[in-house]
Amino acid sequence: KNQVEQSPQSLIILEGKNCTLQCNYTVSPFSNLRWYKQDTGRGPVSLTIMTFSENTKSNGRYTATLDADTKQSSLHITASQLSDSASYICVVSALEDTGTASKLTFGTGTRLQVTL
Amino acid sequence: DGGITQSPKYLFRKEGQNVTLSCEQNLNHDAMYWYRQDPGQGLRLIYYSQIVNDFQKGDIAEGYSVSREKKESFPLTVTSAQKNPTAFYLCASSRRDRERYEQYFGPGTRLTVT
Repeated sequence: KNQVEQSPQSLIILEGKNCTLQCNYTVSPFSNLRWYKQDTGRGPVSLTIMTFSENTKSNGRYTATLDADTKQSSLHITASQLSDSASYICVVSALEDTGTASKLTFGTGTRLQVTL
Repeated sequence: DGGITQSPKYLFRKEGQNVTLSCEQNLNHDAMYWYRQDPGQGLRLIYYSQIVNDFQKGDIAEGYSVSREKKESFPLTVTSAQKNPTAFYLCASSRRDRERYEQYFGPGTRLTVT
């Protein structure tokens, strides 16, 4: 069964500090991995999307890494800001070789709170 | 939230009543999706549509129905048969229903059934 596990479940950090969120997956065959940011009561917004051949991808202060061999990804947030307070969701896509339906497996998210 | 709108933002219904959630997109995307989000769980796929006048069941379709009469619109009806309808519902769209295309999400509708 395809699974995506994220850690930690929640995290509190001081403004200006860095943090790293983890994502482990068992999705196969792997197509791509996405990180989304979801503010409370809002829809998820894409931060990065990485395919098998990409090891690192950045979006401003957000840097995602992917190790396809160990099936792990991390999202590093640099110089955190209060507006970074949100849930961060890891989503892994399986490559479908039959039919046309995409299959996404969603993690349960890491809830990040940035405080003064 | 891109070019996807969902309405209303909050919805309250009595048990036993059907309710329809609206989803509209102006991104000219072929594929549209409905997800349900519950606390402590990942998003779960309810229904998806790859093209107008066609849709397929997702992982948790029981108690829900959809239609796709227009490319821009993909309304979701939560019927009285849905045992636990209170949840946050998210609509999404993508250019094509292929794994390499990014999904764009709407702002969500929080449904409370009492």
